[in-house]
Amino acid sequence: AQKVTQAQTEISVVEKEDVTLDCVYETRDTTYYLFWYKQPPSGELVFLIRRNSFDEQNEISGRYSWNFQKSTSSFNFTITASQVVDSAVYFCALSAPGQAGTALIFGKGTTLSVSS
Amino acid sequence: KAGVTQTPRYLIKTRGQQVTLSCSPISGHRSVSWYQQTPGQGLQFLFEYFSETQRNKGNFPGRFSGRQFSNSRSEMNVSTLELGDSALYLCASSLVVPGKGGEQFFGPGTRLTVL
Repeated sequence: AQKVTQAQTEISVVEKEDVTLDCVYETRDTTYYLFWYKQPPSGELVFLIRRNSFDEQNEISGRYSWNFQKSTSSFNFTITASQVVDSAVYFCALSAPGQAGTALIFGKGTTLSVSS
Repeated sequence: KAGVTQTPRYLIKTRGQQVTLSCSPISGHRSVSWYQQTPGQGLQFLFEYFSETQRNKGNFPGRFSGRQFSNSRSEMNVSTLELGDSALYLCASSLVVPGKGGEQFFGPGTRLTVL
């Protein structure tokens, strides 16, 4: 069975604080893909990053960074120097595609509130 | 390049009615997937289409159906609506063929309310 767990339901921080959103996944497949999406109040899911299971290199994009560790089945997301515009629901997702397709399995999401 | 578009954006129906939602993928994208988002169940996969063929289906009753046209546009239909079908329905498109873990880009969604 495939599963994504985002244990943090809500996080509140003050601007300029660093914040890490946790994501733990379960899959028996050796080839899989991990994603992070952002859902602002407008409702549209915004793609942030995709990693495949063979690439454990951490990635940094501006204030965003991702830490992928297969040993702990985790794919954590850190926002450095948070801003009010970062307030949103963040989803971690897993895709273990085979012949059947590419369905994304989402975690329940973490609501991040950044206050000024 | 225009993003994924979904119509209508909002819809109010009554129990027992049926509804059709439409999705136009990003130009050049041939894979289209549908997801249902509710406060209780979160984001759940409905189905995926590629080249007018359903490639994958989530765990939803047969009242939920879909199709894809030759121009990659997709529709989903829900018949005999129930109160529990009230949700945000999200469509996503991908440039990558199914099975390759491609990025999926989402539309703004259709918010369906069943009274």
